[in-house]
Amino acid sequence: QQQVKQSPQSLIVQKGGIPIINCAYENTAFDYFPWYQQFPGKGPALLIAIRPDVSEKKEGRFTISFNKSAKQFSLHIMDSQPGDSATYFCAANSDGSRLTFGEGTQLTVNP
Amino acid sequence: DAGVTQSPTHLIKTRGQQVTLRCSPKSGHDTVSWYQQALGQGPQFIFQYYEEEERQRGNFPDRFSGHQFPNYSSELNVNALLLGDSALYLCASSLAGVRYGYTFGSGTRLTVV
Repeated sequence: QQQVKQSPQSLIVQKGGIPIINCAYENTAFDYFPWYQQFPGKGPALLIAIRPDVSEKKEGRFTISFNKSAKQFSLHIMDSQPGDSATYFCAANSDGSRLTFGEGTQLTVNP
Repeated sequence: DAGVTQSPTHLIKTRGQQVTLRCSPKSGHDTVSWYQQALGQGPQFIFQYYEEEERQRGNFPDRFSGHQFPNYSSELNVNALLLGDSALYLCASSLAGVRYGYTFGSGTRLTVV
């Protein structure tokens, strides 16, 4: 019940494309859903996060869509750039402490 | 304002040895969590320290232990190293009661040979 399942494992898009990464969870106690971006040799950095009382949140070129009934949430990257090439992780938690991460999506944005 | 600092950045140990990893939290943070990230996987929660006590623990054996000091810095100790312990060990700091301020360090790459 603690798992967060993420797909796809890898994704290749052209510059300007809109990659979409999907996550699903089982634990209905989760109430905070962040997305992290990780570059090689670095730790994860918080990108954007959402609470389940809203269905969508936008920050710059990054958008989270949240479907509480389906227990799914997704990350959209608008007008993707080569600099967005990184590994993206969805995560969830329920008590402000431990984060449960998805398996990660390696995104490549070709010029 | 320094973020989360981890040392060393890389480490090579022999199977059966013991290792200590160190973490200095971001200024103003009082809670430290440790995660293990195997190659190509998402980080897995090891444990969390607050007020110098282990508050939560993930599904890791007792070979993994930790400590938090009065200045909020923390250590992760792993005894009897196994080849499978090879991973990136991440430290994250936060302020107790604040949900959104989780900050990760760049990690320590541990290789067990």
